[in-house]
Amino acid sequence: AQSVAQPEDQVNVAEGNPLTVKCTYSVSGNPYLFWYVQYPNRGLQFLLKYITGDNLVKGSYGFEAEFNKSQTSFHLKKPSALVSDSALYFCAVRAYYGNNRLAFGKGNQVVVIP
Amino acid sequence: NAGVTQTPKFRVLKTGQSMTLLCAQDMNHEYMYWYRQDPGMGLRLIHYSVGEGTTAKGEVPDGYNVSRLKKQNFLLGLESAAPSQTSVYFCASREGSSETQYFGPGTRLLVL
Repeated sequence: AQSVAQPEDQVNVAEGNPLTVKCTYSVSGNPYLFWYVQYPNRGLQFLLKYITGDNLVKGSYGFEAEFNKSQTSFHLKKPSALVSDSALYFCAVRAYYGNNRLAFGKGNQVVVIP
Repeated sequence: NAGVTQTPKFRVLKTGQSMTLLCAQDMNHEYMYWYRQDPGMGLRLIHYSVGEGTTAKGEVPDGYNVSRLKKQNFLLGLESAAPSQTSVYFCASREGSSETQYFGPGTRLLVL
């Protein structure tokens, strides 16, 4: 079965500083990996995904993530955080050969301090 | 193009009551999903569908039933609501050739 670990409950960062949200995964075979963001009282919005190819994936709003197969990680990064980036971030994984289901992490609350 | 919509937005039920949550998508997507979101637990899959007329169990299916009679709609039913079903419910859909799921705005359910 696939699973995701997001080890930190909350990430605090000053506006303008680099932002990193950590994600490690467990899956049989090659993974599909995703990041979603949730703003208060809203549904989840897709940020980026890794399917195959370049390990560095660029997504919406200046976010990027790096797939590291040896460390089974897919950390989300942004070079310069904005106050508007404050939200709940979810990492998700699906096995390349497997069911049609995503496994989500518990989410990380990101707080960007002005 | 409204994307994924959910009805209702908020509902209060008494223990033992029944209700149906409606999810509709206008993107002609094959796959549809129902999740519940609880604090500190992320999203957990309840049921999903890979096409009209098909449904399958997810991670936490007990106490819920689903139907996909039309491609654009995916209904989630609670036959006898319990306080443990107090949660925020999200519907999502995706097309067969893409792995990206699109989410609805959610339904907040309180069972007293």
